[in-house]
Amino acid sequence: AQSVTQLDSQVPVFEEAPVELRCNYSSSVSVYLFWYVQYPNQGLQLLLKYLSGSTLVKGINGFEAEFNKSQTSFHLRKPSVHISDTAEYFCAVTPNTGGFKTIFGAGTRLFVKA
Amino acid sequence: GAVVSQHPSWVICKSGTSVKIECRSLDFQATTMFWYRQFPKQSLMLMATSNEGSKATYEQGVEKDKFLINHASLTLSTLTVTSAHPEDSSFYICSAASPGANQPQHFGDGTRLSIL
Repeated sequence: AQSVTQLDSQVPVFEEAPVELRCNYSSSVSVYLFWYVQYPNQGLQLLLKYLSGSTLVKGINGFEAEFNKSQTSFHLRKPSVHISDTAEYFCAVTPNTGGFKTIFGAGTRLFVKA
Repeated sequence: GAVVSQHPSWVICKSGTSVKIECRSLDFQATTMFWYRQFPKQSLMLMATSNEGSKATYEQGVEKDKFLINHASLTLSTLTVTSAHPEDSSFYICSAASPGANQPQHFGDGTRLSIL
């Protein structure tokens, strides 16, 4: 079985400051890792994904994440945030053994202040 | 990129009414679609996995007779909330995966269901 832990439920940050949203997972099998963003009253939009290869993954809107297998982490980072980045962010894993069932973390609310 | 369309985006209806939500993959074929429920300020809870041409697989605790799922084609899955009551009010989101084992899910924009 898999589980995903997002260590911070809320992250307030000032505009143009850097931010890191933390994600740890546990799994008995190898997994694919994803970060999604959700704006109010909308579905989820894929920010980035790690399937294999380079552990540093770049996504849309200036976000990047680093896969750390030894620490089973997949933290999301952005060097300079904008007001428009205010949203809910979800870390998710899918086992790579077949099937598509995805496990989501509880979400982190990023609040960017002017 | 892959697009999933969900309709309606918002529905308000009286208690006892049945409500149907549609989920369409617009530019790819999806043999598997997923239905989630999301409570305010919470994560997505998987309700069921919808498989084209076969019965849906429901998660533990989800009533099959309350939440009817039909996946009649490779581009359409429907969720019907039967005899809806106020406690069924929630945000329902569908998703579909592009073909291939390592493809991410693509999400619809969700349906806000309010039962009066």
